Amino acid sequence: ETGVTQSPTHLIKTRGQQVTLRCSSQSGHNTVSWYQQALGQGPQFIFQYYREEENGRGNFPPRFSGLQFPNYSSELNVNALELDDSALYLCASSRREYADTQYFGPGTRLTVL
Amino acid sequence: DAKTTQPTSMDCAEGRAANLPCNHSTISGNEYVYWYRQIHSQGPQYIIHGLKNNETNEMASLIITEDRKSSTLILPHATLRDTAVYYCIVTSGKGGGADGLTFGKGTHLIIQP
Repeated sequence: ETGVTQSPTHLIKTRGQQVTLRCSSQSGHNTVSWYQQALGQGPQFIFQYYREEENGRGNFPPRFSGLQFPNYSSELNVNALELDDSALYLCASSRREYADTQYFGPGTRLTVL
Repeated sequence: DAKTTQPTSMDCAEGRAANLPCNHSTISGNEYVYWYRQIHSQGPQYIIHGLKNNETNEMASLIITEDRKSSTLILPHATLRDTAVYYCIVTSGKGGGADGLTFGKGTHLIIQP
C-alpha cells in the first residue's frame, strides 16, 4: 500500500463525453504526476503538478488537463473522449526534492465506447 | 534521458536469486538508474535507485557497472509474488522530475514454483 488512492476504480464513457478522475496523494508528498497506460504498454507521462500548477507535460493534447488542490490531491480531466483514450490512468505522488521516486495509486480503468 | 534496453522476459525458480539486466550505454554523468515493477493490474511500485555506487534495500540490490553503461537488479530470494514486469528507467531528476518517468516495455519476470 502506497497511501495513494484513486477514484473511481472503473469507468465507462462514450465517445465525445468528458471525464474527471481523482487522486489523493500520500501524506507529506507535494507533487502529483499522471500517466496513461494502454493495454500491453508501459505507462506514458501525461503531466505533473506542483504547487497547484502544471510543472511539466508529456506528448498529450490540450484536451487532457488537470488540477492540483491545496491539500495536494489532484484531478485529471479529459474532454472529447476518443476510443484510443481507453486505458489505465495512473496517478503518482512524490516529494519535489525526490520527484523521480514516485508512489503510484492502483489506477482508474477507463473504457470509451 | 538515456534509453534503456532490457530482455523481454525471464524465468527464475522460486527461492533462487533473480538477476535482471539493463543496458543504458548513453547514460550521462548526472543521470540516475531507477527500477520499478508492476504486478498485474496494479500500479507500478518503486524498488530502488542509484547513481554510481551499488545500493541495497529491503526489496533488492542494484549493481551498477563501473562505466555505468549497465546495471543489474537482484532479487535475492525470489517468491511467486515477485512475478511482475520490471522497468529500468534512467532519469536526470532535473526540474523536480517535471519530465516524468519514461517507461519502456520492461522485463516480464516469471517466478516458477
